[in-house]
Amino acid sequence: SAVISQKPSRDICQRGTSLTIQCQVDSQVTMMFWYRQQPGQSLTLIATANQGSEATYESGFVIDKFPISRPNLTFSTLTVSNMSPEDSSIYLCSVDPGPGYTFGSGTRLTVV
Amino acid sequence: AQSVTQLDSQVPVFEEAPVELRCNYSSSVSVYLFWYVQYPNQGLQLLLKYLSGSTLVKGINGFEAEFNKSQTSFHLRKPSVHISDTAEYFCAVSPARGGQAGTALIFGKGTTLSVSS
Repeated sequence: SAVISQKPSRDICQRGTSLTIQCQVDSQVTMMFWYRQQPGQSLTLIATANQGSEATYESGFVIDKFPISRPNLTFSTLTVSNMSPEDSSIYLCSVDPGPGYTFGSGTRLTVV
Repeated sequence: AQSVTQLDSQVPVFEEAPVELRCNYSSSVSVYLFWYVQYPNQGLQLLLKYLSGSTLVKGINGFEAEFNKSQTSFHLRKPSVHISDTAEYFCAVSPARGGQAGTALIFGKGTTLSVSS
């Protein structure tokens, strides 16, 4: 199965700033998925990133707030923009080389 | 679209007792089903998955789950739990797609398993 390296593992950020989270996969994958896990909650899909096309966002998530890049088949970034304390969550990337989902270790974000 | 319902938000049990964590799903197409565990302040770990074939699936750490298509359920069981099994457990579903990469997993809200001595 694929192995994902996700960075940073955690960060504390000031409100109004932005943070970019990176995911590097050790093999080529068609789709990458970005999730948010708010404190004490389950995982919610933010968007699906397909190389060579715009990411597809789920209801409640917009590109201006969570821009995603997918420059090649092994890498993706998620930016959390203009952060507020409500953005404090764990953000995870995931891939599905088919079938068998693998998750990054997560980025624990605290906005102060 | 698919959805997942985990029927119990919290399950407290004593050490060495059996446990069942319940999961029901809804889908108009065939599905793959997964159970993940998340220990405190850690990432997600796959416990087991059902893709096809035998409806009884064995996973890591002594867990098993049974796929019941008629009941649209995928309950997780362990005959004897340990203190170390204390964690959050998530049931998840995706559309079945013949082995090719497809859509994202949809997660249930999670069940907190608390094992005490």
